[in-house]
Amino acid sequence: DAKTTQPPSMDCAEGRAANLPCNHSTISGNEYVYWYRQIHSQGPQYIIHGLKNNETNEMASLIITEDRKSSTLILPHATLRDTAVYYCIVRVAETSYDKVIFGPGTSLSVIP
Amino acid sequence: DVKVTQSSRYLVKRTGEKVFLECVQDMDHENMFWYRQDPGLGLRLIYFSYDVKMKEKGDIPEGYSVSREKKERFSLILESASTNQTSMYLCGCGGTSGRVYNEQFFGPGTRLTVL
Repeated sequence: DAKTTQPPSMDCAEGRAANLPCNHSTISGNEYVYWYRQIHSQGPQYIIHGLKNNETNEMASLIITEDRKSSTLILPHATLRDTAVYYCIVRVAETSYDKVIFGPGTSLSVIP
Repeated sequence: DVKVTQSSRYLVKRTGEKVFLECVQDMDHENMFWYRQDPGLGLRLIYFSYDVKMKEKGDIPEGYSVSREKKERFSLILESASTNQTSMYLCGCGGTSGRVYNEQFFGPGTRLTVL
């Protein structure tokens, strides 16, 4: 799996958009970008994933650059409950089994 | 919703004890995983299994073994617990069914302390 790099921590004001960057410069053509988050004392939770087009669901939006070497997770209106560690992962989705490697992630603090 | 349950939220054991951590999933997923999580190191994969009785080593398998006799159950075994195995242990599962291909689901974690 390709390696990813994320800033170790970020702050965001409550109600504002949180933009979390991720670099994955060695991503392969068949690798997807996945985002998970982990709220304190819970297991990680899936947020969103994409291949090359921008994606949106009820939780977040994912913007992937045209060269696919970086992406941004956007939480449009951050709330205090969005305070968590956010993990960006790249992996091949269409395999019969998957070995997911988590990096240290970005610790997002939403401030009142 | 997928449910992944782990046998204990908190566990305290003594050095040298044999420790069993149990994980059960209710969604018939093929793949199951064990991670440990330590401050500053993120989640590190210990073992994963892609079918009953099948297992593969992750990045840090030393000191651990696993057992998968049934599809829904994946056990992590510490043959002789040591203090450096004090950690949060997370079990996960995933597969090719469901709304997101190969989405992973996680249990709440077991915080193990080895004295």
